[in-house]
Amino acid sequence: DAGVIQSPRHEVTEMGQEVTLRCKPISGHNSLFWYRQTMMRGLELLIYFNNNVPIDDSGMPEDRFSAKMPNASFSTLKIQPSEPRDSAVYFCASSLARDTEAFFGQGTRLTVV
Amino acid sequence: KQEVTQIPAALSVPEGENLVLNCSFTDSAIYNLQWFRQDPGKGLTSLLLIQSSQREQTSGRLNASLDKSSGRSTLYIAASQPGDSATYLCAISRGGSRLTFGEGTQLTVNP
Repeated sequence: DAGVIQSPRHEVTEMGQEVTLRCKPISGHNSLFWYRQTMMRGLELLIYFNNNVPIDDSGMPEDRFSAKMPNASFSTLKIQPSEPRDSAVYFCASSLARDTEAFFGQGTRLTVV
Repeated sequence: KQEVTQIPAALSVPEGENLVLNCSFTDSAIYNLQWFRQDPGKGLTSLLLIQSSQREQTSGRLNASLDKSSGRSTLYIAASQPGDSATYLCAISRGGSRLTFGEGTQLTVNP
């Protein structure tokens, strides 16, 4: 298996623009997570899906952030409008089931100027 | 709120040395604990996962232990190599799959 696949790897956008990050989890995994990593706050969970249903979105910073999982093999994280403070590395991870080993993608480095 | 602390923040050792990385957590009611490594500019690679009912897990030169009662885990790396240089992160799950991460230990193994 190719592992968790994220795209794009790097994204530079202007403040106010919409940004969409994409994730393909490992085939057969039922849980999907979006994390954000910054120097100041480390790794933080944004949202967690189980069987395509959002279970915990308490980490989503504000209404500008939204996430969807239309099917078991695809998820998106959208930021609209983007702000410079959203600059971070965004990771997608998946696991076979709840509370099993989590596997991370390579991340998307987002820079908002 | 669950807090996870890793000590030291950075560690530099000569090649061949055995070393221990530490992770402590404030709430002993954990479901499992996972150790990851992160190379610069890369994602996280899962190393070991220890269930709350287990005391340790081993994979090659790595051995992770868990002591729930004291809120501690250690990652032991035997015969360190320059390729082990990376940031090592521990993460706690209290059930529900949310992982709470420590800030990591940046390890440098010098040839």
